[in-house]
Parts: sequence; C-alpha cells; structure tokens
Amino acid sequence: DAGVIQSPRHEVTEMGQEVTLRCKPISGHDYLFWYRQTMMRGLELLIYFNNNVPIDDSGMPEDRFSAKMPNASFSTLKIQPSEPRDSAVYFCATSAYNEQFFGPGTRLTVL
Amino acid sequence: DQQVKQNSPSLSVQEGRISILNCDYTNSMFDYFLWYKKYPAEGPTFLISISSIKDKNEDGRFTVFLNKSAKHLSLHIVPSQPGDSAVYFCAAIWDSGNTGKLIFGQGTTLQVKP
Repeated sequence: DAGVIQSPRHEVTEMGQEVTLRCKPISGHDYLFWYRQTMMRGLELLIYFNNNVPIDDSGMPEDRFSAKMPNASFSTLKIQPSEPRDSAVYFCATSAYNEQFFGPGTRLTVL
Repeated sequence: DQQVKQNSPSLSVQEGRISILNCDYTNSMFDYFLWYKKYPAEGPTFLISISSIKDKNEDGRFTVFLNKSAKHLSLHIVPSQPGDSAVYFCAAIWDSGNTGKLIFGQGTTLQVKP
C-alpha cells in the first residue's frame, strides 16, 4: 500500500483565494483525520470522519474551513477565503484502530 | 487546557547513550498512549504504544513506561543513534477501540550527536 497520499505537497497562494487540499486514505481504513501543525499550537485536530461521515468538527477554526469525504477513498479540506494566518502544514491521517497513519502533509503559504 | 504535555522542547544526547523523553497527562480517562516520530518535511510515523492496563511495552531499542498514578509516561531509546534525531510526540486516546481522536503533546526535539 502506498500509504496516505496528500496533494499538493506545497501550495502558495494569495490572501482571499480558495485553497483545496486533498487526501487519499489507506484502503480499508474507515477513520480519516485532518490536522494542522503550527509552531505556536503544535498538532491540532481539525475534523475527523468515520465511514465518510463527519464525527467531530469542533477543531475547525471558523466557517472559512470546510471538509468533505464524498467516498471512502477521497477527502478534501477547503479554505475559502484563505488568510495569511492559515499558513501551516496540513496533515491527513487515517486509521482502522488506535494507530493513525499520517500522510506527508501539505505546506500551505498564504501571502 | 493542554491535556497532554511534553515539558522539554528539546533533548540532546550522545550516540550510544540512553534517550529519555517524558510526557505528562491530566485526563485520567485516557486509556491508550502512543509515541510518534517526525522527521522534517514528513508526516509523523507511529513508533510504539501502550495500553493503560500495562506499565511497560518494549519494541527493540524502544521502551515505553506508563505510571498511571503519576499520569506520566516516558519513552526510552537505548542505545540512541544519530538516525533517531527527530521530533517525538506523545499522544493519548480516550475510549480506545472506538478510534477516538488522539490528543497530542507539543513534541520534543531529540538530537543524537555522533
């Protein structure tokens, strides 16, 4: 298995633009998590899904952030409009039990 | 309120010596604990875990100890190698088995000097 796949690996955009981050989970994993890592706040859980259904989105910072999981093999995290303070590394992770497996992350820079 | 704390942001040890990374937690409902290792420009990778019904788990050079009364866990790496240089995160889970969300500490950067 190729592991968790995220795209793009790097994204540079201007303030106000829409940003879409993508994640392909490990086949057979029915939980999917989106995290954000910053120097100030460390690893923060934004939202997670079970069997494509959002379970807890309490970590989503504000309405500009949205996440979808239309099927078991794909999820997106969208920021619209983006702001400089959204600059961070965004990780997707999936699991079938307790251990979560992380993707390589998307480094987002909002100018 | 930070439920999982790694109070040492960094640690430096000589190759061949023991590395001890510490983690404290506040929530007594946590019943499963994990350690992750993270290299730059990569996602965290699972290293070792321990259930709250145990006080020790060993995997090669890595051993995790859990002291429930003190709400403290530690990761021992013996012997330390330069390739172990990375950021180490401890994480805790509540209601394990239902794949609840992980609560991560802030991380400790380990440097192993040749």
